[in-house]
Amino acid sequence: QVQLQESGPGLVKPSETLSLTCVVSGGSISGYYWSWIRQPPGKGLEWVGYVYYTGATNYSPSLKSRLTISLDTSKKEMSLRLRSVTAADTAVYYCARIRGVLDPFDFWGQGTLVTVSS
Amino acid sequence: SYALTQPPSVSVAPGQTAKITCVENNIGSKSVHWYQRKPGQAPVLVVSEDTDQPSGIPERFSGSNSGNTATLTIRRVEAGDEADYFCQVWESSSGNPWVFGGGTKLTVL
Repeated sequence: QVQLQESGPGLVKPSETLSLTCVVSGGSISGYYWSWIRQPPGKGLEWVGYVYYTGATNYSPSLKSRLTISLDTSKKEMSLRLRSVTAADTAVYYCARIRGVLDPFDFWGQGTLVTVSS
Repeated sequence: SYALTQPPSVSVAPGQTAKITCVENNIGSKSVHWYQRKPGQAPVLVVSEDTDQPSGIPERFSGSNSGNTATLTIRRVEAGDEADYFCQVWESSSGNPWVFGGGTKLTVL
């Protein structure tokens, strides 16, 4: 069974960089898009960006200037770095797997809450 | 506001049928996926591509999609079905390729 587990600091100060890791176990990295999705308090889910197993990336236009997503295939880890965070970046961050653009996200992590506050 | 509109909440008694809608202009031309999320747990895919049930999902969960509305139907609702449910589509014309509904909280009375 594929499992995804997010980890990272629960509290980040404004203007600093938010860094998260997603560890994949029980399955292959190859052939999939590995995505970050977030949900701010009281709001809906928002796709953040993805890294394809080849290393290609695509980011939400609203975050593109501050975001880097990478994949370490040897460690089966996906990473997210979001720079210059504000309170608007406070959210539960999920990692999830998807095979193709029309496919569903078939496996998700439990999510990790990140709060941006001084 | 969200591209996909869901009712914030739906309440149903045990044993009854719950219907959760996901509305967008011409959503019937798209492939809709539905997820269930319980507190502190990873979201679980319950219906894919409008009507398909992933392995391990009870047949009580079904989906339909036509016109401007996609619907998740849960028959013979159980207490364990209480969760948030959200829909998702691929938006080919959007800067964000994957778009989600705002989510619906299903309460089992």
